[in-house]
Amino acid sequence: ELKVEQNPLFLSMQEGKNYTIYCNYSTTSDRLYWYRQDPGKSLESLFVLLSNGAVKQEGRLMASLDTKARLSTLHITAAVHDLSATYFCAVGTGTASKLTFGTGTRLQVTL
Amino acid sequence: DVKVTQSSRYLVKRTGEKVFLECVQDMDHENMFWYRQDPGLGLRLIYFSYDVKMKEKGDIPEGYSVSREKKERFSLILESASTNQTSMYLCASIGLVAGGTEAFFGQGTRLTVV
Repeated sequence: ELKVEQNPLFLSMQEGKNYTIYCNYSTTSDRLYWYRQDPGKSLESLFVLLSNGAVKQEGRLMASLDTKARLSTLHITAAVHDLSATYFCAVGTGTASKLTFGTGTRLQVTL
Repeated sequence: DVKVTQSSRYLVKRTGEKVFLECVQDMDHENMFWYRQDPGLGLRLIYFSYDVKMKEKGDIPEGYSVSREKKERFSLILESASTNQTSMYLCASIGLVAGGTEAFFGQGTRLTVV
């Protein structure tokens, strides 16, 4: 059974600081997804990582994938309050692209 | 824009009722999924479908069934609603985008069973 673990589960950080969210998974996959969810809302796609060594950046967020270590990271640079949300990673498997999600990291950026 | 539309944002149902949650996508995707989301547990897969009339159980199918009579519509059925099925339900449609596949989510249905 595929397990996807995120840490930390909760992260409180000050504006302007940097931090990294980690996503470990237990079986081979070459598809890793990051999503953002605001309270009461659905999931918004942030990144799709499809190969070992893939790195993608959008604004203050950068995601990377190491398939050999079965690890993805979401790095936050100079955090701002608008980044406060819950972030999920998900691992894709099978021909139907079934997604298995981590438990999420709730990020709170304080002024 | 890809659109995945769930029929209701909020539902309140009584214990023992049969409940239908509807999901429609307009991108001709073959793969559709139902998840439930609970605090501290993330999203857990209930059922998915990779073609019309085809379905497979996810990780937590007990107490649920699904129907996919048309490609664009995927329905989740709670045969006899119970209070432990109070949750946020999210439908997703997965299709090809440049460089791979991507999942698009509906707005969610918050179901309360009383």
